[in-house]
Amino acid sequence: DADVTQTPRNRITKTGKRIMLECSQTKGHDRMYWYRQDPGLGLQLIYYSFDVKDINKGEISDGYSVSRQAQAKFSLSLESAIPNQTALYFCATSDPGIGSNEQFFGPGTRLTVL
Amino acid sequence: LAKTTQPISMDSYEGQEVNITCSHNNIATNDYITWYQQFPSQGPRFIIQGYKTKVTNEVASLFIPADRKSSTLSLPRVSLSDTAVYYCLVGDRAGGFKTIFGAGTRLFVKA
Repeated sequence: DADVTQTPRNRITKTGKRIMLECSQTKGHDRMYWYRQDPGLGLQLIYYSFDVKDINKGEISDGYSVSRQAQAKFSLSLESAIPNQTALYFCATSDPGIGSNEQFFGPGTRLTVL
Repeated sequence: LAKTTQPISMDSYEGQEVNITCSHNNIATNDYITWYQQFPSQGPRFIIQGYKTKVTNEVASLFIPADRKSSTLSLPRVSLSDTAVYYCLVGDRAGGFKTIFGAGTRLFVKA
């Protein structure tokens, strides 16, 4: 969905490096999410935020941190990257006001940790 | 959280109707059933959502029996471009954070 953008789209880094993945949205949604997807598996929720002052851990938050700089921006950081964090990362938004919990996903960031 | 169970994979041919069934025995009163579609290296995309009976949109139909312990996504006359992974999710509308994606069903459409 072009309304949800992620940067970078691809990143290769080394073990121990700090990495930040950024997500921006123009949908005006309050709720934002970060997921990771490993090959052949479903998505796992890392963190979610219901508004600028709200941050919540998801299923697999260890090794990750997030920052909600504004309604439109939600960043995911890997403080010290490790190889098993190699995955596809998706950002998503939602708005319960539209009557469903439909989530709108960005194009994803492919991260490789060597 | 209600757990869902769906087939790991399915094969079909172009032009056929495909039905993917999802079991959710522990569905709660406030839960809705939502289906997403995901193509390789892309984020999931919402297909359809329902609470009971039948819901139809331009892409698919969703059939939900009275006990709501299962649901069936129906894709009419599939094409090669419908090859994707389909996820069944159960959760209440307000709790978007409860969206839990399992492994999904890999649908492969053959010519």
